[in-house]
Amino acid sequence: GAGVSQSPSNKVTEKGKDVELRCDPISGHTALYWYRQSLGQGLEFLIYFQGNSAPDKSGLPSDRFSAERTGGSVSTLTIQRTQQEDSAVYLCASSFPAGNYEQYFGPGTRLTVT
Amino acid sequence: GQNIDQPTEMTATEGAIVQINCTYQTSGFNGLFWYQQHAGEAPTFLSYNVLDGLEEKGRFSSFLSRSKGYSYLLLKELQMKDSASYLCAVTAPGANNLFFGTGTRLTVIP
Repeated sequence: GAGVSQSPSNKVTEKGKDVELRCDPISGHTALYWYRQSLGQGLEFLIYFQGNSAPDKSGLPSDRFSAERTGGSVSTLTIQRTQQEDSAVYLCASSFPAGNYEQYFGPGTRLTVT
Repeated sequence: GQNIDQPTEMTATEGAIVQINCTYQTSGFNGLFWYQQHAGEAPTFLSYNVLDGLEEKGRFSSFLSRSKGYSYLLLKELQMKDSASYLCAVTAPGANNLFFGTGTRLTVIP
């Protein structure tokens, strides 16, 4: 069966440009998460969706970061006016109801800001 | 806040046993996950512990002591393909996300 997919797999952008990262969760999973993994750092939580709503945006590092989810499925993470410190691997995960359920991760998008 | 500690790197020999420790100090605790992540790939689920004790699953076992804020992942009969990062993650009441440690990079040598 299809797992979590993300696109693009790699993105190189110039500082100051906007980028959009896409996540397709496993069909039927109601919860969706975005994490960021920087070199030498643990996975850092960014935002969580239950259905189309985002009850927890506490991890977004600045107002340049936003995310939406439509149809209870696909999610897009947008970073505006990218900075070099935004360079990282952005991982998406999905699960059945949020909480103590296994999260299935996508392969990530490697973002490089030059 | 959440604080989760793991060793940064470990090396072990093919066929041997290795134990990867994880200690946590968190504001509340529901359960602890272990994930495996090969370089450039997605983390994949290994185990989930809620109650104290040892959970065995093939060559991999995971242990939890809630009173000590401590867990370990035990890998037996190591194979070269076990070279990967092993991520410890905690769930807490009222939080929907996982709180991750920095991961332990395991290198298996012949």
